[in-house]
Amino acid sequence: DADVTQTPRNRITKTGKRIMLECSQTKGHDRMYWYRQDPGLGLRLIYYSFDVKDINKGEISDGYSVSRQAQAKFSLSLESAIPNQTALYFCATSPAGKYQPQHFGDGTRLSIL
Amino acid sequence: AQSVTQPDIHITVSEGASLELRCNYSYGATPYLFWYVQSPGQGLQLLLKYFSGDTLVQGIKGFEAEFKRSQSSFNLRKPSVHWSDAAEYFCAVGSFGNEKLTFGTGTRLTIIP
Repeated sequence: DADVTQTPRNRITKTGKRIMLECSQTKGHDRMYWYRQDPGLGLRLIYYSFDVKDINKGEISDGYSVSRQAQAKFSLSLESAIPNQTALYFCATSPAGKYQPQHFGDGTRLSIL
Repeated sequence: AQSVTQPDIHITVSEGASLELRCNYSYGATPYLFWYVQSPGQGLQLLLKYFSGDTLVQGIKGFEAEFKRSQSSFNLRKPSVHWSDAAEYFCAVGSFGNEKLTFGTGTRLTIIP
């Protein structure tokens, strides 16, 4: 089983719909992150959480919200999806502490028509 | 603010040839640096990391990278590439006290027979 699991893996939806992407981890890490990947732009940070009671905006948080339901679960919501939110979304986790690498899920490919 | 530049969008290499992927970072203090690889349909996998000590670091799959402070670079190398190395490669930088990573825009590697 994957250590960082994202659901769904693929989703096609329409403009204006509410969408939730879910991430769960079995690594026991405190920190969790949501990124989006667009061709030619690399990965950009949307939100991150260093523990259950800590939520922080990343560089591109507008139009998104998150919920950290438990140490192992971190969900990303698009309240009213728009076409320019079409992208590949990744969840990542890391342990607390300095110099820690992040561990990634396999991504959710989201298309908004 | 920290930043990462990967100047090569796409590189083509013959199987068995050597490889060097470039990464330049911008940050005032000592950064910590990572290289990740992304195969199609998958998340990012950590190849190697540097945060102190020996400036030549070894990673998985036969990759190595050298940290050069004077050039603000952390280039990834492999002496002999295999067809399975075809993927996209991302350099990332973090800094102590700012536990978020900044990713480069990626370099796509194509291997030809």
